[in-house]
Amino acid sequence: DVVMTQSPLSLPVTLGQPASISCRSSQSLVYSDGNTYLSWFQQRPGQSPRRLIYKVSNRDSGVPDRFSGSGSGTDFTLKISRVEADDVGVYFCMQGTHWPETFGQGTKVEIK
Amino acid sequence: VELVQSGPEVKKPGASVKVSCKASGYTFTINGISWVRQAPGQGLEWMGWINPYNGNTKYAPKLQGRVTMTTDTSTNTAYLELRSLISDDTAVYYCARVDIWSGYHVLGVDVWGTGTTVTVSS
Repeated sequence: DVVMTQSPLSLPVTLGQPASISCRSSQSLVYSDGNTYLSWFQQRPGQSPRRLIYKVSNRDSGVPDRFSGSGSGTDFTLKISRVEADDVGVYFCMQGTHWPETFGQGTKVEIK
Repeated sequence: VELVQSGPEVKKPGASVKVSCKASGYTFTINGISWVRQAPGQGLEWMGWINPYNGNTKYAPKLQGRVTMTTDTSTNTAYLELRSLISDDTAVYYCARVDIWSGYHVLGVDVWGTGTTVTVSS
């Protein structure tokens, strides 16, 4: 199975400051159709996961433009341009390119 | 779009559990349903998925033989049954709508269910 490695696992951030989370895969995530199926999810405390980003950099409907995704091949990044209190939670990446789908361990974002 | 799951379950080792996932807000037979679980302190684990249109399924190899995924298109509900439960099956179980796929291959999921806690304990 493809191993997804996130860093850091814990990220204390000051309100209004940027935050960045890395996700690395053990194999290239470029699929046979040329797309890269890497998604990012946010899981607020006590809630179900919510997808923020799909295919590396496409924001889902209703997701603030403070969230952006980038990367290629095996290295991917989720950035929050200015962290708000509402952003507290666990963020994880997921790859769908290789069967079975696999997930990163999660990064816990908290306010300093 | 909403996926509402059934309530918490407590089971003894060796028993079976069946979790439901009721979909609303979209045409149920257009999108597949994946099942994912999260054991305490562990990461997320993909269990498999089902295509409600034709009932086709694909299961994670480690669960093959113990898991069955079904759907009832008359009630827009997906079901996950897990048999011969062991303590390692203690987890929160999520259903998730498949929004990107190719044949039997799930490429992406978007909306997640409310989650069902299953506890296996003697």
